[in-house]
Amino acid sequence: DAKTTQPPSMDCAEGRAANLPCNHSTISGNEYVYWYRQIHSQGPQYIIHGLKNNETNEMASLIITEDRKSSTLILPHATLRDTAVYYCIVRVARDSSYKLIFGSGTRLLVRP
Amino acid sequence: DAGITQSPRYKITETGRQVTLMCHQTWSHSYMFWYRQDLGHGLRLIYYSAAADITDKGEVPDGYVVSRSKTENFPLTLESATRSQTSVYFCASSEITFFGNQPQHFGDGTRLSIL
Repeated sequence: DAKTTQPPSMDCAEGRAANLPCNHSTISGNEYVYWYRQIHSQGPQYIIHGLKNNETNEMASLIITEDRKSSTLILPHATLRDTAVYYCIVRVARDSSYKLIFGSGTRLLVRP
Repeated sequence: DAGITQSPRYKITETGRQVTLMCHQTWSHSYMFWYRQDLGHGLRLIYYSAAADITDKGEVPDGYVVSRSKTENFPLTLESATRSQTSVYFCASSEITFFGNQPQHFGDGTRLSIL
């Protein structure tokens, strides 16, 4: 599975968009990009995933560059409850183990 | 929508004791996983299971035993607990589709302390 690089920490103001970047320059054609977050003392929570097209759901949007070497998770109107560690993971969809490899993630602090 | 539940939420035990962590999911997902989370290591996969009676080792399986007699349950047993197994343990499950890209969904974890 390709390696990902994320900034260790970011902050944004409540109500503003939070844009979390992820570099995955060695991603291969059959690897998906997944985003999870972990709020303190809770289990990781799935947010969104995509292959090459931009994706949007009720939680966030995922923008993947055309060369697929990087992506951005966008929380359009961050709230204090979005303060968490955000993990970007790339993974082959049909890998036999379907395991996730978590890196260090980005610690997002949403300021009042 | 019960989802995936882990029990107990907190456990304190002594070295050498056997302890079992329970995981139950109500979605009938094929795949189930056990991870441990430690400071400085992030989440690491211990064992996973593709279906009932099918299990396989992950990244850090030593000292752990799993079983999966029913699709909905995936218990993790520490046969002789050691202090190094003090950690937060997360169970997860996912379904498999033709495209194979379904996400994993996690429980709230078991905080295990071994004295």
